[in-house]
Amino acid sequence: KQEVTQIPAALSVPEGENLVLNCSFTDSAIYNLQWFRQDPGKGLTSLLLIQSSQREQTSGRLNASLDKSSGRSTLYIAASQPGDSATYLCAVPGSAPGAGSYQLTFGKGTKLSVIP
Amino acid sequence: KAGVTQTPRYLIKTRGQQVTLSCSPISGHRSVSWYQQTPGQGLQFLFEYFSETQRNKGNFPGRFSGRQFSNSRSEMNVSTLELGDSALYLCASSLVGTVRSYNSPLHFGNGTRLTVT
Repeated sequence: KQEVTQIPAALSVPEGENLVLNCSFTDSAIYNLQWFRQDPGKGLTSLLLIQSSQREQTSGRLNASLDKSSGRSTLYIAASQPGDSATYLCAVPGSAPGAGSYQLTFGKGTKLSVIP
Repeated sequence: KAGVTQTPRYLIKTRGQQVTLSCSPISGHRSVSWYQQTPGQGLQFLFEYFSETQRNKGNFPGRFSGRQFSNSRSEMNVSTLELGDSALYLCASSLVGTVRSYNSPLHFGNGTRLTVT
């Protein structure tokens, strides 16, 4: 059963700092990993999708890396801004209880606060 | 291009009742998946539909069911509601791939907040 852990659970940084969010997973036989952000009361917004054949993906100030062998991914945010304040979640696919079924497993998220 | 649309936005139901939630995916997306989000359990996968067929299913009781129509719109139904079913229900759509191997990002709606009293 896939389990996903995100550390830290919460993080508060001053504006302009670079920061790293961590995601670890137990079953390394994954095809991809996704990072999302969620604003209060809203749905999730996809930030980066990394395929298993890739080691990293970049979008603007965001860079995500994937190390399948160690079951880890990191999301690096450069020059943080108050608008980056949100909860960040990672998600990986894994086996579901039903035969031949799969499910997407999410971490509990890291709540980021960027202080002006 | 319109995003994923979920209706209604809020629902209040009584224990024992049933409820139907609706999700319209982004035009052209054929995969629709549903999730339950609670403060205690976080985000949990319910099921996924692709081309009107349930392709994947999470670990939820049979009271939770869904379907997908030929235009890719999807509905989920919860029967015999319990207090513990109170949650934010999210749906998401994807252009290419299914849960096991998405080749394009997941797009989420803003959810339906269900309160069971």
